[in-house]
Amino acid sequence: GNSVTQMEGPVTLSEEAFLTINCTYTATGYPSLFWYVQYPGEGLQLLLKATKADDKGSNKGFEATYRKETTSFHLEKGSVQVSDSAVYFCALRTGNQFYFGTGTSLTVIP
Amino acid sequence: GAVVSQHPSRVICKSGTSVKIECRSLDFQATTMFWYRQFPKKSLMLMATSNEGSKATYEQGVEKDKFLINHASLTLSTLTVTSAHPEDSSFYICSARAPGLAESNEQFFGPGTRLTVL
Repeated sequence: GNSVTQMEGPVTLSEEAFLTINCTYTATGYPSLFWYVQYPGEGLQLLLKATKADDKGSNKGFEATYRKETTSFHLEKGSVQVSDSAVYFCALRTGNQFYFGTGTSLTVIP
Repeated sequence: GAVVSQHPSRVICKSGTSVKIECRSLDFQATTMFWYRQFPKKSLMLMATSNEGSKATYEQGVEKDKFLINHASLTLSTLTVTSAHPEDSSFYICSARAPGLAESNEQFFGPGTRLTVL
């Protein structure tokens, strides 16, 4: 079956620290992979995506590379800001169906 | 970009009443819309898929008589929680697929509706 596993939070970092949020997946076929961000009280916003192996998605300083050999799509950012505090969801899509991880809460302190 | 809105953003109702949540695609036509439910500190759970002009397809375990979905037009889908109870309190999020856009398989998410049933 299809599923997404991401590291449990909460994660608390100081401003300008390096961020990694691990995400691994199980899928049949060739899924597209996504990271969504949810700010407090809001819905999901697409952060970045990758549609095939070795693709790197990037946006707002965040990056993630589609690694088929390790079935991973880890999210990274070199220097986090307070405004990055949110919940981050890793997801895969096959056809119309999305499968989400349980979310990782990130808090960045000044 | 493709924008999806939801109304209301928050609703509080008494147990036993029904609540309607609207999901609109503002600048594109969405032949398919999806309804998700998000529990606290949990992932999103797909409830149903609605196609314009036809009956919704519900995921296993979702009561179709309790969560009525109507996709009456290419820009509007509604979710009605009938005879709401406190356990229905949750964050409901819709998404829409835009076949006319370049990324036809992309889903665009609404901002969500927080339902609290007293």
